[in-house]
Amino acid sequence: SYELTQSPSVSVSPGQTARITCSGDALSNKYAYWYRQQKSGQAPVLVIYEDSKRPSGIPERFSGSNSETLAALTISGAQVEDEGDYYCYSTDYTGNYWVFGGGTKLTVL
Amino acid sequence: EVQLVESGGGVVQPGGSLRLSCAGSGFPFGIYWMTWVRQAPGKGLEWVANIKKDGGEKYYVDSVGGRFTISRDNAQKLVFLEMNGLRAEDTAVYFCGRGRGYDATNYYPGMDVWGQGTTVTVSS
Repeated sequence: SYELTQSPSVSVSPGQTARITCSGDALSNKYAYWYRQQKSGQAPVLVIYEDSKRPSGIPERFSGSNSETLAALTISGAQVEDEGDYYCYSTDYTGNYWVFGGGTKLTVL
Repeated sequence: EVQLVESGGGVVQPGGSLRLSCAGSGFPFGIYWMTWVRQAPGKGLEWVANIKKDGGEKYYVDSVGGRFTISRDNAQKLVFLEMNGLRAEDTAVYFCGRGRGYDATNYYPGMDVWGQGTTVTVSS
């Protein structure tokens, strides 16, 4: 089955840039979505959709990119309130079967 | 307000069944794909199933195929997840979410609204 791979954790100091990556073969022609979950069991919050678009209400410091088989979420000037688990989300080549990456725990301190 | 509210979770013995419901409001429910995902205790998010806006296409993660059935009632703005043959590994918080939307002329990116979740515990 299709998989998306994320590194387990990223740690930065406040004001630094945090970059979270997601690799998957089908990302070369499928959109990546990014969600933040501040606590396990809470509803995920969409922070980036369709590779690089930012929903209303999401700060401009959040940006996304997708190149070949690697998608990335960048938080420029990370703040303490950005801490949480970040998940990438995309489909396999058929576009019918979705998968989450394993999640990356972002620590800002 | 755009909202999804899940219900139907509970404690069930292995091999048992549950039916989860998700009620949508504040948006044109019938033009959106709908999704169920889950999160086991201490684990990451896992996509479970999708259903097309008219119910004509349904897709499942391999681990639930043949045991779970997704369905919808657009008139009532509801999406369901019928779960049979439950196993301990199905224990999780289940979330419903809004997928992409399509009407006669427009595409809506969606993927942006999730319910608060309902907890399913499979235990003897």
